[in-house]
Amino acid sequence: DAGVIQSPRHEVTEMGQEVTLRCKPISGHDYLFWYRQTMMRGLELLIYFNNNVPIDDSGMPEDRFSAKMPNASFSTLKIQPSEPRDSAVYFCASSLAPGQGAVGELFFGEGSRLTVL
Amino acid sequence: DAKTTQPTSMDCAEGRAANLPCNHSTISGNEYVYWYRQIHSQGPQYIIHGLKNNETNEMASLIITEDRKSSTLILPHATLRDTAVYYCIVRVANYGGSQGNLIFGKGTKLSVKP
Repeated sequence: DAGVIQSPRHEVTEMGQEVTLRCKPISGHDYLFWYRQTMMRGLELLIYFNNNVPIDDSGMPEDRFSAKMPNASFSTLKIQPSEPRDSAVYFCASSLAPGQGAVGELFFGEGSRLTVL
Repeated sequence: DAKTTQPTSMDCAEGRAANLPCNHSTISGNEYVYWYRQIHSQGPQYIIHGLKNNETNEMASLIITEDRKSSTLILPHATLRDTAVYYCIVRVANYGGSQGNLIFGKGTKLSVKP
């Protein structure tokens, strides 16, 4: 299995531009999570989905952030307009539901490093 | 807020056992203890988890105290590649509603030295 695939790995953009981060979860996983990591705040959960439906988006910082999961194999995190304080590494993770032999561990992608100038 | 307390950093000599403590005094009866680690510039990686019994897998051992208020992750023979930030997390096993959140604290930065 290729694991969780994120793109782009690095993105440099200017303030005010739209940014779209993409994630392909592990095939068959029921859950998908978006995290953001900064030196100051550490790893923060932004939103997670179960069977393509958003379950908890309370971590999404503000209306400039939106996430979608149109199907089981693809999710996007969009920032519009972007600001310098959005600079961070954004991680996507997926997991099976606990039970039936699974422990519910999260499998993380390599992350997308975003720099907003 | 994270429900766990971990030392900020620890050192360990290569080849020796690394014992990473975690306090979770407010843990609920239905909450598991999970350990993840994050090697520099990579995504976090699952290590092990447990409810109340000690657990062992190919990566590590997890010792949970009888009152479940603390635990220790043991890397039996640390190598340089084990240098990472180690996160101790408590959470329920089911994902209903906000219970699915995996809340990461600051973790312990383990440095394995030659």
